[in-house]
Amino acid sequence: NAGVTQTPKFRVLKTGQSMTLLCAQDMNHEYMYWYRQDPGMGLRLIHYSVGEGTTAKGEVPDGYNVSRLKKQNFLLGLESAAPSQTSVYFCASSLDRSPNYGYTFGSGTRLTVV
Amino acid sequence: AQTVTQSQPEMSVQEAETVTLSCTYDTSESNYYLFWYKQPPSRQMILVIRQEAYKQQNATENRFSVNFQKAAKSFSLKISDSQLGDTAMYFCAFMTLYYGGATNKLIFGTGTLLAVQP
Repeated sequence: NAGVTQTPKFRVLKTGQSMTLLCAQDMNHEYMYWYRQDPGMGLRLIHYSVGEGTTAKGEVPDGYNVSRLKKQNFLLGLESAAPSQTSVYFCASSLDRSPNYGYTFGSGTRLTVV
Repeated sequence: AQTVTQSQPEMSVQEAETVTLSCTYDTSESNYYLFWYKQPPSRQMILVIRQEAYKQQNATENRFSVNFQKAAKSFSLKISDSQLGDTAMYFCAFMTLYYGGATNKLIFGTGTLLAVQP
């Protein structure tokens, strides 16, 4: 099925370890986004990309890096994981900047940092 | 800065009854969109309904409808004939249209957890 695929779905990291979350979409969408979801805080934008080779900071970018080397993939990296980064991470994509097409979300990655 | 407020962390409703979820937002912009998303236990984010700010008519999608009060900056979601499958976290979200900007970001409220009781 077409959509947004996130890998892995679950991960446990030790403090200080690094990891990369992968988001892949097969809808030829230009825009891609990384959000984190925390209890009582809703979804907050970490980073986003408006096209291949571009990235920009969102609301809570500290401690994360991203790359968009290919149009269909958007990677979120944690260089040195901290317990405060325990969260559920969602990737989303949209065809363009218009709200008419909405966002398509992945099913999320639950990350625990111990 | 735009903010979205959902003042009801949790709600409960009996099956077949009607429930209304509240959402208020703050913006100085005049051109924007409002959304309700549903997140069931599967974690998947599902778009329920969308409202364009320049349209006075309230959006409706089957059992889901909104009460959009632009002057009051209020955007409530009404679910009629509630079903067990409506049990989920519901997020209100806001998007300003910046025609000169790079993108139009979706800003979420903190969510309302709705439980439909049999």
